[in-house]
Amino acid sequence: EVQLVEFGGGLVQPGGSLRLSCSASGFTFSTYAMHWVRQAPGKGLECVSAISSNGGKTYYADSVKGRFTISRDNSKNTLYLQMSSLRPEDTALFYCLKGSSPYYYSYMDVWGKGTTVTVSS
Amino acid sequence: QSVLTQPPSVSGAPGQRVTISCTGSSSNIGAGYDVHWYQQLPGTAPKLLIFDPSNRPSGVPDRFSGSKSGTSASLAITGLQADDEADYYCQSYDSSLSGPVFGGGTKVTVL
Repeated sequence: EVQLVEFGGGLVQPGGSLRLSCSASGFTFSTYAMHWVRQAPGKGLECVSAISSNGGKTYYADSVKGRFTISRDNSKNTLYLQMSSLRPEDTALFYCLKGSSPYYYSYMDVWGKGTTVTVSS
Repeated sequence: QSVLTQPPSVSGAPGQRVTISCTGSSSNIGAGYDVHWYQQLPGTAPKLLIFDPSNRPSGVPDRFSGSKSGTSASLAITGLQADDEADYYCQSYDSSLSGPVFGGGTKVTVL
């Protein structure tokens, strides 16, 4: 069974840092692009970052550029999102997603259950 | 403001047909990038509903269909059922932003 499990969410103060992890199983992780999509409370979906299968290409939404860093360890089947300089508006449920191809041009066919990040003093 | 524009809500009676539009621009849908749709039932994670732009993953009923023309796409739900009540999001790729983009979402209400 294809599965994505996110870890690392929690409560952090404004200006703080947090690292999210996503453990993948049930598919050849190194073959597919991966994404982080967030959903603020009561709001829609935003793709905050994506990474190609070999890690050579990355995407960041303007809202997180310079503050978030996406990475992956294909030997550990794990995706990461390092978040720094966190702001209250970063408060959201963060989903890890599997892409359908090596690059992030296409659709996302598997979603994790999400991990909650709350930025508040 | 989302790159892809969807109506905030649509509604219909059981058995009716509803459509959800997704309007983009020349840097995404109009550039030939495919459109995909996701369904988010209340309290759950979204799931892939339609891809490329009219294919259904295994298990998705054929009451759901997608189409694309020019800079827009549409999701149609026929034979509307109570458990179709959900939020629906379109998604594509934007060449100006060099990344995936979502619509703002449409809430479907079954009257």
